[in-house]
Amino acid sequence: ILNVEQSPQSLHVQEGDSTNFTCSFPSSNFYALHWYRWETAKSPEALFVMTLNGDEKKKGRISATLNTKEGYSYLYIKGSQPEDSATYLCAFSGGYQKVTFGTGTKLQVIP
Amino acid sequence: DGGITQSPKYLFRKEGQNVTLSCEQNLNHDAMYWYRQDPGQGLRLIYYSQIVNDFQKGDIAEGYSVSREKKESFPLTVTSAQKNPTAFYLCASSPPPSGGGPYNEQFFGPGTRLTVL
Repeated sequence: ILNVEQSPQSLHVQEGDSTNFTCSFPSSNFYALHWYRWETAKSPEALFVMTLNGDEKKKGRISATLNTKEGYSYLYIKGSQPEDSATYLCAFSGGYQKVTFGTGTKLQVIP
Repeated sequence: DGGITQSPKYLFRKEGQNVTLSCEQNLNHDAMYWYRQDPGQGLRLIYYSQIVNDFQKGDIAEGYSVSREKKESFPLTVTSAQKNPTAFYLCASSPPPSGGGPYNEQFFGPGTRLTVL
């Protein structure tokens, strides 16, 4: 079983603060790295898929970077809003159509 | 309205009984997946299927069985051999990779919470 780690496990930020969290994954046999957002009482939804070293993706106030050589990805949220409160999951793919998920970072944005 | 449905949302069973969780998708996706989530843990892959009549074991397949007789359906049976079946179960599907890449995003159902008494 591959080791995909996310940190921190949880964090609380004030509305308007910017924040970031980390996903660490094996640096060998890399195919893709995904970020998902999982809001309470909803299904996980894909944010980004990244496949190339140095990839940077952005969607509104949320962005992500990828370093496949050292095996990490960062997710950044600029100016956090209460609606950003969710668990953020990363998923590592080392082969066709099979992924390993991290344990997630639970973000709580305090109004 | 395309999507993935799982039923029921909550399921209670007595210890020693087999139980089947339903997963249906109308997204015309080839690949389907079953995950299990326990408190403090990530999603762990139970089984996945890339095409009809074919499926592979994931990381924690022991005590589970699946079938893939139709593209739309991927039911999961939790057997009495599964030592710790109480958990939250998520089903997902994904389309074929785009641009020749090996992996595409997954679309998730709402989940079924199974409690074995």
